[in-house]
Amino acid sequence: EVQLVESGGGFIQPGGSLRLSCAASGFTFSSYEMNWLRQTPGEGLEWVSYINSGDDTTYYADSVKGRFTTSRDNAKNSLYLQMNSLRVEDTAVYYCARKLYGTTYFDYWGQGALVTVSS
Amino acid sequence: QSALTQPASVSGSPGQSITISCTGTSSDVGSHNRVSWYQQHPGKAPKLLVFDVTNRPSGVSNRFSGSKSGNTASLTISALQAEDEADYYCTSFTNTRVFYFFGTGTKVTVL
Repeated sequence: EVQLVESGGGFIQPGGSLRLSCAASGFTFSSYEMNWLRQTPGEGLEWVSYINSGDDTTYYADSVKGRFTTSRDNAKNSLYLQMNSLRVEDTAVYYCARKLYGTTYFDYWGQGALVTVSS
Repeated sequence: QSALTQPASVSGSPGQSITISCTGTSSDVGSHNRVSWYQQHPGKAPKLLVFDVTNRPSGVSNRFSGSKSGNTASLTISALQAEDEADYYCTSFTNTRVFYFFGTGTKVTVL
């Protein structure tokens, strides 16, 4: 069974840093491209970042570029999102989601990790 | 363009069919077939229902079907069931730096 489990969410003050992790199981993690997406009640769903299977290509939404860094460890079947200079507007539930090379949809999502940025 | 437009809510009685629209532009929805639909129950992760406008992943009920006309994609749920009560989102892949546009979301209520 495919499983994606996020962890590392929490409460953080503006300007702070947080690192999210996504533990993958039930599939060959190194064969999939991975993405981070986030969801807020007001703004809905937003794609945040992408990383290819080989960990050498990343893309980011303009809203997080320069502040967030996504990486992966295929040996540990894990995906990461390092979030720096956090803003109130980064408050959201963050999901990791997998994507097969050559496709444009996310076929499995994790359950999400809540990040709250507030003073 | 920052989001695809969906109706805020759609309702129907058990056994009926309903259709959710997803309107974009000629630069996204209207320019390719990279439209997908997701179902999300409260507190749960989104689940892929339809990809590439009309295709269903293995295990998804054939009561869910997708289509597209011009700049508007649609998701039809036939033989509506209580378990279909959820939020539904469309998304369109784009070759711009945005990568993905998401729909505003539609809450489906089964009366």
